[in-house]
Amino acid sequence: EVQLVESGGGLVQPGGSLRLSCAASGFTFSAYWMTWVRQAPGKGLEWVANIKEDGSEKYYVDSVKGRFTVSKDNDKNSLDLQMNSLRVEDTAVYYCARDRSVPGFPSDSWGQGTLVTVSS
Amino acid sequence: DIQMTQSPSSLSTSVGDRVTITCRASQSVSRFLNWYRQKPGKAPQLLIYAASTLQSGAPSRFSGSGSGTEFTLTISSLQPEDFATYYCQQSSSAPYSFGQGTTLEIK
Repeated sequence: EVQLVESGGGLVQPGGSLRLSCAASGFTFSAYWMTWVRQAPGKGLEWVANIKEDGSEKYYVDSVKGRFTVSKDNDKNSLDLQMNSLRVEDTAVYYCARDRSVPGFPSDSWGQGTLVTVSS
Repeated sequence: DIQMTQSPSSLSTSVGDRVTITCRASQSVSRFLNWYRQKPGKAPQLLIYAASTLQSGAPSRFSGSGSGTEFTLTISSLQPEDFATYYCQQSSSAPYSFGQGTTLEIK
């Protein structure tokens, strides 16, 4: 069974940093692109970043470029999101998801999410 | 970046109704279009990918169509568990943007 478990969320002050992790199990982690998606309270889904199977390609939404870094450790079956210079508008539930290598590159498995709150 | 626009934003419906949700892209995304359902407090679930392919395990009452810039998700007969929010997502070019969502409410 595919499992994705996020951790690392919490309360942080504006300008601070946080590192989210996503522990993967039940599939060959090294064979999949992975994605981070966030959802601000009461709002819609926002795609944040993704990373290629071997970590050689990474893409980000403009609002987090230069502040967030996605990384993938295929030996530890772990996906990370390093978030620096956090802003109030980064407050959201952050989901990690697995992307299938089929047309559409859909995210077919999702974690339960971890809440990040940026507030003074 | 590609902008995705869904309509309607919300819809009051009843169990057994046939429902169609539209998603429009600001530029062609070919058939790189996915649909998700999100129940309150839960993670999204993949329903349809590549515009019209039903995800394994998704109910057959869900169907998708379209290409280029206009797409539709149809639910043939609404079930109680379908009162949720639906999102389209383009995966033609990063960032893989989502629509703003369509919420189905019980009439």
